[in-house]
Amino acid sequence: NSKVIQTPRYLVKGQGQKAKMRCIPEKGHPVVFWYQQNKNNEFKFLINFQNQEVLQQIDMTEKRFSAECPSNSPCSLEIQSSEAGDSALYLCASSLPSYEQYFGPGTRLTVL
Amino acid sequence: QQKVQQSPESLTVSEGAMASLNCTFSDGTSNNFRWYRQHSAKGLEVLVSIFSDGEKEEGRFTAHLNRANLHVSLHIREPQPSDSAVYLCAVDTNTGKLTFGDGTVLTVKP
Repeated sequence: NSKVIQTPRYLVKGQGQKAKMRCIPEKGHPVVFWYQQNKNNEFKFLINFQNQEVLQQIDMTEKRFSAECPSNSPCSLEIQSSEAGDSALYLCASSLPSYEQYFGPGTRLTVL
Repeated sequence: QQKVQQSPESLTVSEGAMASLNCTFSDGTSNNFRWYRQHSAKGLEVLVSIFSDGEKEEGRFTAHLNRANLHVSLHIREPQPSDSAVYLCAVDTNTGKLTFGDGTVLTVKP
């Protein structure tokens, strides 16, 4: 069973507001991924980290999102100015390098 | 860019009958292939990971991989109502990030 912790489970924001969610990876897992799952079950990879360094990210993440994984603190993903299209389930996963990804329960964001 | 497609979109089986789900992908050079399960409003639970052609069994879940045919399947033996969920096929794109299919909604009737 996954031990990835995500908070909050539910987040409701107005358009233009900041939305911040957090992830605590499994102990000992240096690699962290963020994915967005929309209401049609479509997954979009957003960004991943190894320790505190960004490995890959998509354009959208670079422009409107900020993410970090500081040492000894939870990882976070923040949308600077929420849009209706950002409403989705945001899933965090952690792994050892090149191993299984274990997912948290997700943060469900609703942008009104 | 890796494309992953799952079929069927939804599947209803009776308790105890075998359930079979399919997944096709576009790039056979990917490292590994995974099946996840997602219950409503919850995270993903990994069921089976398979790296080599052939079969891999984890309890009641068996995956079959055929890279030449760009196909991986999942068979669920003796499914129970608690197995009702969305089943997701995911392909590791050699960069660590996963590419997912759109899922198969499985309903197991008592």
